[in-house]
Amino acid sequence: AQSVTQLDSQVPVFEEAPVELRCNYSSSVSVYLFWYVQYPNQGLQLLLKYLSGSTLVESINGFEAEFNKSQTSFHLRKPSVHISDTAEYFCAVSEKNTGFQKLVFGTGTRLLVSP
Amino acid sequence: DADVTQTPRNRITKTGKRIMLECSQTKGHDRMYWYRQDPGLGLRLIYYSFDVKDINKGEISDGYSVSRQAQAKFSLSLESAIPNQTALYFCATSVEGLGDTQYFGPGTRLTVL
Repeated sequence: AQSVTQLDSQVPVFEEAPVELRCNYSSSVSVYLFWYVQYPNQGLQLLLKYLSGSTLVESINGFEAEFNKSQTSFHLRKPSVHISDTAEYFCAVSEKNTGFQKLVFGTGTRLLVSP
Repeated sequence: DADVTQTPRNRITKTGKRIMLECSQTKGHDRMYWYRQDPGLGLRLIYYSFDVKDINKGEISDGYSVSRQAQAKFSLSLESAIPNQTALYFCATSVEGLGDTQYFGPGTRLTVL
């Protein structure tokens, strides 16, 4: 069964600084990978996803993530964060197989952006 | 209007009470899910349904039941609520396909006293 590890429970950063949120996964088969964002008092929103093709995927608000199969990682990066990026970020993985592609979530990383 | 709605958004109840959380979607998706979120634990799957006649247990289904009344409606019930069911509950939907991307409702915050 697949699993996801987000080692950093909280990442404090100053506005306009770069940030990387780490995500490592474990699976015996090929995977799909997702990053979801949860703003305060809201539900989860899909930020970006890797399904196939290019290993570098981007979101509309400047985040990007790179699928690294050899390191089983899917780290999320942004070169310059804004106050509005303060949120909790969840990495998730599902296995490529027939039938139900169960989505397994990491425990989340809280990004705190200060002025 | 939101594609996935949940009612109520907040609920406080007492131990032993029966509670129903409702989810409706206008995305036209066949697949629906119920998760609970606890601090430090991420999201865990309670139940999922591929269509009205197909309901399956997730990893933490004990103490919960569900009903898929229509393609667009999926309800979660706590037959006899207990304090450790205090959590944030999310409904999600997806359509079968590449990656089966899930889309989430705004959540219901449930407190069991």
